[in-house]
Amino acid sequence: AQTVTQSQPEMSVQEAETVTLSCTYDTSENNYYLFWYKQPPSRQMILVIRQEAYKQQNATENRFSVNFQKAAKSFSLKISDSQLGDTAMYFCAFLKYNNNDMRFGAGTRLTVKP
Amino acid sequence: SAVISQKPSRDICQRGTSLTIQCQVDSQVTMMFWYRQQPGQSLTLIATANQGSEATYESGFVIDKFPISRPNLTFSTLTVSNMSPEDSSIYLCSVDLSGYEQYFGPGTRLTVT
Repeated sequence: AQTVTQSQPEMSVQEAETVTLSCTYDTSENNYYLFWYKQPPSRQMILVIRQEAYKQQNATENRFSVNFQKAAKSFSLKISDSQLGDTAMYFCAFLKYNNNDMRFGAGTRLTVKP
Repeated sequence: SAVISQKPSRDICQRGTSLTIQCQVDSQVTMMFWYRQQPGQSLTLIATANQGSEATYESGFVIDKFPISRPNLTFSTLTVSNMSPEDSSIYLCSVDLSGYEQYFGPGTRLTVT
């Protein structure tokens, strides 16, 4: 079974600084997808970024980028120029190709301080 | 993406009663999912709901406790039956638009007293 581990329960960063959230996963699959979701206090789950395992290039969405290390089974999220609105729980998620069972990590609570 | 709404947004219910949560999507989707998020925890998949067929439940979840309906391609309901305080959670529905991305509704916060 696939497992997703987020080893940082809480993190904080100063506004405008850069922060990196860690995620590792365990799988024997070769084809899969990885995601970072953001859940602000409103509890709405928002897709931040997606990475296909077959792509070597790291995904980027504006201030959000990932460092995908397939051999190490690592998928970290970097947030640049942190904003107060980035304060939220961040969940790393794994989805096997042609499968619907998305597995989530335990989450990292990020606080952006003014 | 899709616009997904859930009703109710929150409710406080008494032990032993049942609550039905509705999930509405603004476009037709084949697959809808129901998740539970217990306080301070991550998301756990309850079941997958395809239109026109019985929902598929994950280990630890049973139809008698969490009956699901999927009458059409834009709507689904999840009922939490015979509730106990342990059922206090956020319940979220999600949809799969592209085969590999899920978009979530705003969630229903349930408190059982």
